[in-house]
Amino acid sequence: DAGVIQSPRHEVTEMGQEVTLRCKPISGHDYLFWYRQTMMRGLELLIYFNNNVPIDDSGMPEDRFSAKMPNASFSTLKIQPSEPRDSAVYFCASSFRGLGGGYTFGSGTRLTVV
Amino acid sequence: EDQVTQSPEALRLQEGESSSLNCSYTVSGLRGLFWYRQDPGKGPEFLFTLYSAGEEKEKERLKATLTKKESFLHITAPKPEDSATYLCAVQADNFNKFYFGSGTKLNVKP
Repeated sequence: DAGVIQSPRHEVTEMGQEVTLRCKPISGHDYLFWYRQTMMRGLELLIYFNNNVPIDDSGMPEDRFSAKMPNASFSTLKIQPSEPRDSAVYFCASSFRGLGGGYTFGSGTRLTVV
Repeated sequence: EDQVTQSPEALRLQEGESSSLNCSYTVSGLRGLFWYRQDPGKGPEFLFTLYSAGEEKEKERLKATLTKKESFLHITAPKPEDSATYLCAVQADNFNKFYFGSGTKLNVKP
């Protein structure tokens, strides 16, 4: 298996632009998580899905952030409009039956908003 | 308040010099404690899950232990390739209550 695949690896955008991050989870995994990592706040859970259904989005910082999972093999995290404080590394992770933390993480998308 | 604290923030070791990393936690209803390794530019890589006090897990030069208040990641005779940031995470009552510590950055010099 190729693991969790995220794209793009790097994204530089101007403030106010829309940004879409993409994730392909491991086939057969039924949980998908979006995390954000910064030096100041470490790893933060933004939202997670179970069987393509959003279960908890309480970690999404603002209404500018939205996430979708139209099918079991694809998810997106969208920021519109983007702001400099959104600059971070965004990770997608997946697991089977939750596995309470035994997640497989993707390599992340480094987002820079200028 | 639920929280996870890792110490030290950074640790420098000589190759072969054994040491331990600490993860202390205060959560209601611990469901599991997890250790991850993260290399620069990569996502965290899952290492261990511990569920109850007294439990131990081993993998190569790493050994994780758990008490009711903390976990230790013991590194025996480390090698330079063990250099990475080690993250601890705990899962509390609800699945969404999953907290990562800030990590310990380990540097092993040859």
